[in-house]
Amino acid sequence: SYEVTQPLSVSVALGETATITCGGNNIGRKNVHWYQQKPGQAPKLVIYRDTLRPSEIPERFSGSNSGNRATLTISSAQGADDADYFCQLWDGTVVFGGGTKLTVL
Amino acid sequence: EVQLAESGGGSVQPGGSLRLSCVVSGFTFSRYWMNWVRQVPGKRPVWISHINTDGSGTSYADSVRGRFTISRDNARSTLYLEMYSLRVEDTAVYYCARGAGGYGDNWLFDYWGQGVPVTVSS
Repeated sequence: SYEVTQPLSVSVALGETATITCGGNNIGRKNVHWYQQKPGQAPKLVIYRDTLRPSEIPERFSGSNSGNRATLTISSAQGADDADYFCQLWDGTVVFGGGTKLTVL
Repeated sequence: EVQLAESGGGSVQPGGSLRLSCVVSGFTFSRYWMNWVRQVPGKRPVWISHINTDGSGTSYADSVRGRFTISRDNARSTLYLEMYSLRVEDTAVYYCARGAGGYGDNWLFDYWGQGVPVTVSS
């Protein structure tokens, strides 16, 4: 089965740029989606098909995907961005990454 | 406003059964694939089942195949998950999630319910 790897945690200063990665073999050939999850809440889609953003998601969220790494970038990070982030893709079945806890300092 | 609301969770002994429901509103239910995803708190979400728009196509994760059955009632805008032979390892929060066909990919999930806890314990 296809495996993806995310860092357990990422910290970013308020207003700075946070980068969360999702690694996998030739992941650049797959469509990668990203979800934000806050405590006690359901996951929320923030980026889909590598780079696209649902209309209600702030522009500071962006994504890229190439080679063996997909990346979620949060520019000018805010306290509201403090959450867990999961990457997800399809490889014959649905695959979720292990999640990254983003802390905004 | 799109809304999904699960119900039917609770505590059950190993070997027992439960039926989860997910009532949706704010969109035309019959036009979308639907899914069940579960998550142990602090762990990653795990997809467990999908059903296509008219219920003629379903799929399951290996961990639940043969024990869980997904179904839908388009007239009632309701998704179901029948769970049999429950195991301790089935303990999780269960979410219904809409397949985002509108985004060109049914295997991503654009709306989720609030989740319902299922505890399997003796």
